[in-house]
Amino acid sequence: DQQVKQNSPSLSVQEGRISILNCDYTNSMFDYFLWYKKYPAEGPTFLISISSIKDKNEDGRFTVFLNKSAKHLSLHIVPSQPGDSAVYFCAASEGRVDSNYQLIWGAGTKLIIKP
Amino acid sequence: DVKVTQSSRYLVKRTGEKVFLECVQDMDHENMFWYRQDPGLGLRLIYFSYDVKMKEKGDIPEGYSVSREKKERFSLILESASTNQTSMYLCASSSAKGGNQPQHFGDGTRLSIL
Repeated sequence: DQQVKQNSPSLSVQEGRISILNCDYTNSMFDYFLWYKKYPAEGPTFLISISSIKDKNEDGRFTVFLNKSAKHLSLHIVPSQPGDSAVYFCAASEGRVDSNYQLIWGAGTKLIIKP
Repeated sequence: DVKVTQSSRYLVKRTGEKVFLECVQDMDHENMFWYRQDPGLGLRLIYFSYDVKMKEKGDIPEGYSVSREKKERFSLILESASTNQTSMYLCASSSAKGGNQPQHFGDGTRLSIL
């Protein structure tokens, strides 16, 4: 049973426009959410996170929105740049010490920025 | 910056061989993790460790074991490699202090079992 779902395997966006990547989760105990970016042949790089006490967190061109009632989060990239072409993973954690803050991962969305 | 170093970027081994993948982190992190990444499946947790000599099974531990003799080093062992263990292997570490913390990853080892 997938607790974290990224339903779009790929997304193509024009350079300069907004990229919106979506993630849904089923476990209401999740209270910490992260987005990672991964280039081929490299490890994932942490991008941005959000705690469940917030509904928005912004860092430069990246903004994550959390809708707890819908169990949905999204990553907005504005404006999109060619270097943003990568696979983006959504991950979530229950944030419990006894779970050692394990992350549950989505399957990833491949973002392609077209020039 | 956190540095997580995996010993090999690419590795080719034969079926039945015992394979060692090494990972070292330089940030004194308590938690260390081994994942494998396969297309369309995201990252799946094999094993993790929250302290020296401690280990916990993840979602797919079968066919693997781990060793954490020192805080900075976490090794993944394929006891008898099989072709279905061909994959990208990723090591990560995180701090256990201050609640939720992101995991930091190495560059991965692309392992091919022939």
